[in-house]
Amino acid sequence: QKEVEQNSGPLSVPEGAIASLNCTYSDRGSQSFFWYRQYSGKSPELIMSIYSNGDKEDGRFTAQLNKASQYVSLLIRDSQPSDSATYLCAVTGAGRRALTFGSGTRLQVQP
Amino acid sequence: GAVVSQHPSRVICKSGTSVKIECRSLDFQATTMFWYRQFPKQSLMLMATSNEGSKATYEQGVEKDKFLINHASLTLSTLTVTSAHPEDSSFYICSARPGQGAGEQFFGPGTRLTVL
Repeated sequence: QKEVEQNSGPLSVPEGAIASLNCTYSDRGSQSFFWYRQYSGKSPELIMSIYSNGDKEDGRFTAQLNKASQYVSLLIRDSQPSDSATYLCAVTGAGRRALTFGSGTRLQVQP
Repeated sequence: GAVVSQHPSRVICKSGTSVKIECRSLDFQATTMFWYRQFPKQSLMLMATSNEGSKATYEQGVEKDKFLINHASLTLSTLTVTSAHPEDSSFYICSARPGQGAGEQFFGPGTRLTVL
């Protein structure tokens, strides 16, 4: 079992729709959770961080964390073609400072 | 967010040569920096954790004698790929975290290495 799992996609949504990206993790000791966006040929860019159960909103982005289910998600409202990228879920655990990445979900927003 | 730079952004070298990549935190101090490698259509794989003033911690399967890491100051870490071979061609990315603990990490723009 991978430590951090994501559906590779592609996830295709029409412009203006809500894109929902999901991630599960195996280490129950995980403490910090991050969503990064990576455009082709570029390095990851931090979108959201979340540390406690519940929702965290920032503009068009909402991160949701459920530690009991070991599940973290990212919602993108009013999706734009410029949101088309690979979204990486990353986790750090107790005693581990480095990020563990999922394989990423490729999002395609259709104009 | 915090800014991390990397240099060079792209390098092409002959097989057998060594290549040095620099990673700098521009507006914060980083006692710890991280080096990742990404092959096409794959996710980022952690290579090593660079610790200021001490030896780097390498992930399993990463040769410490081939990938030399130096973290001489709180704003600079270097990765040297020694005796590079075509299979070392990849996208090398560093990241750094302001402060301690498990907070947000910020990535440099990456270095694309091509070994002929």
